[in-house]
Amino acid sequence: AQSVTQPDIHITVSEGASLELRCNYSYGATPYLFWYVQSPGQGLQLLLKYFSGDTLVQGIKGFEAEFKRSQSSFNLRKPSVHWSDAAEYFCAVGAPDGNKLVFGAGTILRVKS
Amino acid sequence: SQTIHQWPATLVQPVGSPLSLECTVEGTSNPNLYWYRQAAGRGLQLLFYSVGIGQISSEVPQNLSASRPQDRQFILSSKKLLLSDSGFYLCAWRQGLGARGNTIYFGEGSWLTVV
Repeated sequence: AQSVTQPDIHITVSEGASLELRCNYSYGATPYLFWYVQSPGQGLQLLLKYFSGDTLVQGIKGFEAEFKRSQSSFNLRKPSVHWSDAAEYFCAVGAPDGNKLVFGAGTILRVKS
Repeated sequence: SQTIHQWPATLVQPVGSPLSLECTVEGTSNPNLYWYRQAAGRGLQLLFYSVGIGQISSEVPQNLSASRPQDRQFILSSKKLLLSDSGFYLCAWRQGLGARGNTIYFGEGSWLTVV
């Protein structure tokens, strides 16, 4: 069965600093991987996804993520964080032939000015 | 383009009362539909998913039920709410059988507070 671990519950970064949110997954084959962002009291918005091909994927709002099979990781990065990036971020994994996504517990990002 | 709507956005219900949350998807046909719950400070838990009308898969035993009376309608229900049912409920959809990839798209969520 798939599983996702986001080891950091909270992260605080200064505005303008770089960001990396960690995600490790467990799955027997090449999974489909996703990052979603959730602002308080709202639904989840898809930031980016990886299905196959180039292991560095670009998403919306200046985010990118890199799939590293050897480390079973799909970390999310942004070179310069803006105050509006403060939100909760979820990593998710899905089987290519499956119906479901399994989500990590989320990482709450706080941006200080 | 596809859109997803769920309502009500906010609900305060007494313990023991019934519940009905509704979700509809527009702009697609034969979608997979999902209900997730997000308790305070926790991640997303898949409650139910459906691959077609009348087909419901339950992921966890609980006080809730789901129904899919029409292709693009998904309803979450309870006959008697418990305090532990409080949380943020998210409806979601993805393209169904034969579609490549499982990008899931979410509605705006419904806050349920059981008092």
